[in-house]
Amino acid sequence: EIVLTQSPDFQSVTPKEKVTITCRASQSIGSSLHWYQQKPDQSPKLLIKYASQSISGVPSRFSGSGSGTDFTLTINSLEAEDAAAYYCHQSSSLPLTFGGGTKVEIK
Amino acid sequence: EVQLVQSGAEVKKPGESLKISCKGSGYSFTSYWIGWVRQMPGKGLEWMGIIYPGDSDTRYSPSFQGQVTISADKSISTAYLQWSSLKASDTAMYYCARLSDSSSLLDAFDIWGQGTMVTVSS
Repeated sequence: EIVLTQSPDFQSVTPKEKVTITCRASQSIGSSLHWYQQKPDQSPKLLIKYASQSISGVPSRFSGSGSGTDFTLTINSLEAEDAAAYYCHQSSSLPLTFGGGTKVEIK
Repeated sequence: EVQLVQSGAEVKKPGESLKISCKGSGYSFTSYWIGWVRQMPGKGLEWMGIIYPGDSDTRYSPSFQGQVTISADKSISTAYLQWSSLKASDTAMYYCARLSDSSSLLDAFDIWGQGTMVTVSS
């Protein structure tokens, strides 16, 4: 099973700051890494797929990068509505797995 | 509009059985894998398993194999997650979600249901 380790677990950020969340895989997964946003009391929402592919309707301040074992989700110029938990997910092999999540709080 | 609509919240006692549902609409239900994801209170996302409604090909996470059963009825565009004997530790929110690529079970989940909260308590 591929283990995904996210860091940090929690981040408190002021609006307009840049946020960087990392996801490390226990073995190489190519670019089969996806990012989701989950706001309180809502279902997860796909933000980025295959490490860096943008999703229609997702604000351009969200971007992803990385390959192999190390991946990054970047939120440029954080907005209040971005307060949420963020999860990475690998689809390189079964069982599919998720990272433990990163909670982003707005100061 | 492509959407997955799940059945409502459930409150059950330990030992009882349960089947929750996820109805797809706005797309060809038989052509996309549907997965189930558990989220225990205050915790992260856990993949449970996945089914291809077209032929009912099903795969389970080792953590959930034997603990739940995933099925689908393509005639009514509905996937199911069921338990034969619930435990208190099954208390969680359960989401169904569609894989975005119709040709692969190794892909991102692009459409999510609203979730079904299952509470198991004596």
